[in-house]
Amino acid sequence: QVQLQESGPGLVKPSETLSLTCSVSGGSISSDIYYWSWIRRPAGKGLEWIGRFYITRTTNYNPSLKSRVTISGDTSKNQFFLKLNSVTAADTAVYYCAREVAAARGNWFDSWGQGTLLTVSS
Amino acid sequence: SYELTQPPSVSVSPGQTASIACSGDILGYKYACWYQQKPGQSPVLVIYQYTKRPSGIPERFSGSNSGNTATLTISGTQVMDEADYYCQAWDSGTVVFGGGTKLTVL
Repeated sequence: QVQLQESGPGLVKPSETLSLTCSVSGGSISSDIYYWSWIRRPAGKGLEWIGRFYITRTTNYNPSLKSRVTISGDTSKNQFFLKLNSVTAADTAVYYCAREVAAARGNWFDSWGQGTLLTVSS
Repeated sequence: SYELTQPPSVSVSPGQTASIACSGDILGYKYACWYQQKPGQSPVLVIYQYTKRPSGIPERFSGSNSGNTATLTISGTQVMDEADYYCQAWDSGTVVFGGGTKLTVL
């Protein structure tokens, strides 16, 4: 069974760049039947999709975050990454990585990491 | 941008049926799915492709679709079902979540 684990600094200063890593075990990010996504949930708010990485190095981003986001992957380490620049307090959230099944009829997230809290504060 | 609309909250008594609606333009063509999230935990997929239930999800969880509305139904709701529920769909290559519904069982 696939497992995902987020890791990151926990605290980032305003205007700096947030960097998170998702380590995947029990499955390969080289698979051509899954996408690998980042999702966040700010305190008191709902889930927000940030973007995804696919083995062909295709990426898709939430239009509202696209100008600040980069998602990439390292198949040799079976990890994928999130970089979000120019962070503000509004980016404080629990960040999740997740495996996305992309079927001919719809898509869904069938496995999630435990989440990591990222706080933006000076 | 595409939007999915859910009621902010739904209340139900234990043993009764809870229904949570999710509406969006042409949602009938987008094969919505549903997640349950309890405090301090990661979301869990409970319904995908409108009506399918992943292994391990109790039979009391079911989904349906009619026109532009997808509905999550919990029959014989239990106290353990108290959680936030989110619908999700795919639009133009991006993922969209509904705003979430807090289900209270009391």
